[in-house]
Amino acid sequence: SQQGEEDPQALSIQEGENATMNCSYKTSINNLQWYRQNSGRGLVHLILIRSNEREKHSGRLRVTLDTSKKSSSLLITASRAADTASYFCATDPGRRALTFGSGTRLQVQP
Amino acid sequence: SQTIHQWPATLVQPVGSPLSLECTVEGTSNPNLYWYRQAAGRGLQLLFYSVGIGQISSEVPQNLSASRPQDRQFILSSKKLLLSDSGFYLCAWRSFFTGELFFGEGSRLTVL
Repeated sequence: SQQGEEDPQALSIQEGENATMNCSYKTSINNLQWYRQNSGRGLVHLILIRSNEREKHSGRLRVTLDTSKKSSSLLITASRAADTASYFCATDPGRRALTFGSGTRLQVQP
Repeated sequence: SQTIHQWPATLVQPVGSPLSLECTVEGTSNPNLYWYRQAAGRGLQLLFYSVGIGQISSEVPQNLSASRPQDRQFILSSKKLLLSDSGFYLCAWRSFFTGELFFGEGSRLTVL
């Protein structure tokens, strides 16, 4: 079963707008990671946030983590058409494998 | 730098035929290796992972098997494919230092 669940399942915005995706999970974690997948391609790592961190930034990406609510959010600011992709959260419970959510499909209209 | 290769990229197989998908990693030694499957428009399901040669952990009982004959080689196999085996298969290795996964480009399997 999926550990993380993303919300919304699909998101369509205009270029320049911000995109926010949420992830909820069920068990305790060591860290949470976000990945991006272009259609028909492998996943690419975007950012990792540890369980003792609340917020992390990388370029136009901002990730928050609330371990009390078992939730995380990914914010992409000033979106571009090239940001069109699926975005997945993945939880690391400290075992050897990450567990992925079902993803959010983001469409950025030029 | 590390790279990961998967092949074949696309495969169309009849029901009941065998399967072999191969994954190799370059530029790192003794990596943790993973096979995930992705159904159309869905998330990733962990199938197998390996922490060393000959060491395979299966996450989901099914029609598939995995082997690791060499340190940087991970193979996904089936003796007889089912229609439900169709999907996008992704191999990945994990960095000990950062904890992130690095994925191959995937193998798209269609079973007819």
